[in-house]
Amino acid sequence: AQKITQTQPGMFVQEKEAVTLDCTYDTSDQSYGLFWYKQPSSGEMIFLIYQGSYDEQNATEGRYSLNFQKARKSANLVISASQLGDSAMYFCAMREDYSGYSTLTFGKGTMLLVSP
Amino acid sequence: DVKVTQSSRYLVKRTGEKVFLECVQDMDHENMFWYRQDPGLGLRLIYFSYDVKMKEKGDIPEGYSVSREKKERFSLILESASTNQTSMYLCASSLRGTTYEQYFGPGTRLTVT
Repeated sequence: AQKITQTQPGMFVQEKEAVTLDCTYDTSDQSYGLFWYKQPSSGEMIFLIYQGSYDEQNATEGRYSLNFQKARKSANLVISASQLGDSAMYFCAMREDYSGYSTLTFGKGTMLLVSP
Repeated sequence: DVKVTQSSRYLVKRTGEKVFLECVQDMDHENMFWYRQDPGLGLRLIYFSYDVKMKEKGDIPEGYSVSREKKERFSLILESASTNQTSMYLCASSLRGTTYEQYFGPGTRLTVT
């Protein structure tokens, strides 16, 4: 079973509008973390935002916020006031903790296109 | 700023060749990772290392091996390259601990013909 599910292969939004990228996850652990990364066409992976499973407040970083609904196991990324430069692939990832180290499991990604 | 570098952006190899992909980070990170990225599949973890000379298999280790002789360098080795290993390979590093994000290199697009 997939641990991270991103159901939207592609999303279109107009500049200055808000957009929500969906992410659901599957874990039985109590301690975990959720990340969002952006990958522009140039290929580098850029860290956007992080939410820990024990964090009570939703994470925010500038125009990015993470809508964390623990009971529903969802961690949607909200981008407010989209810009042309937001056009990219977006990946949701879940941190799984082991003894002494942790790994990330990534979703398949959502391609966001922002139009003028 | 954290910098993760990879030895090549683009690489073309022939089937059966031994291929080395090198990754170097300059921020004294304990953890290093190798992923491959394929369209529609996202990033999949091949191998990772949480200390010098330590390595752990990820989700898709078959056909790959790794080497970490120094803390800053993590090498991915394709012992006998095959066409199904044509992919984008991404290296990442992070501090030890469970909340630190991973920092990624620019990727190596490997084509095996």
